[in-house]
Amino acid sequence: DVKVTQSSRYLVKRTGEKVFLECVQDMDHENMFWYRQDPGLGLRLIYFSYDVKMKEKGDIPEGYSVSREKKERFSLILESASTNQTSMYLCASHRGYYNEQFFGPGTRLTVL
Amino acid sequence: GDSVTQMEGPVTLSEEAFLTINCTYTATGYPSLFWYVQYPGEGLQLLLKATKADDKGSNKGFEATYRKETTSFHLEKGSVQVSDSAVYFCALKGNTNAGKSTFGDGTTLTVKP
Repeated sequence: DVKVTQSSRYLVKRTGEKVFLECVQDMDHENMFWYRQDPGLGLRLIYFSYDVKMKEKGDIPEGYSVSREKKERFSLILESASTNQTSMYLCASHRGYYNEQFFGPGTRLTVL
Repeated sequence: GDSVTQMEGPVTLSEEAFLTINCTYTATGYPSLFWYVQYPGEGLQLLLKATKADDKGSNKGFEATYRKETTSFHLEKGSVQVSDSAVYFCALKGNTNAGKSTFGDGTTLTVKP
């Protein structure tokens, strides 16, 4: 069974902390994505990556960075967490150009 | 750019009722179209897809037909169950967005017994 896993389901951090969200996929997909999901705003793309060590900004990259050192792992980094980054974070991956995305279960991050 | 417009929710139905969730899109060329479902506390999962005009995607009693002439991909189910309560997202993957998906805002469906 194909899988996208995320390091935490729930996370509570304090303002100003550096936060790492990890995503791992076991499907040998070249494409990986980070979204945040907020009520009334749908899914918004933060960053994506087409290959190892490669990254592209999505629609809302401010306040975030990413790292992809290995094909299966894509990390989202909040350099200095703020309360407006409280959200559900979803990781996804896919192969090829027109195929569907596979999503992880999400990490619900609360920044106090 | 590409865009997806979904019927606004929330939608509340009684068990065994007929479901339609409208979805229209704007894209150049011939995108692939998808419906994803998100159950409470989970990530999104693919419900069905269609990759070319007039294709019908189907899964778990849900269906959607890729209509290029009306740029639509409406989701239907003949008889909903309580277990279908979830958020449904229409999405497209076009040939101008470098492989990125464009999602609708999601429609929350609640089915009451």
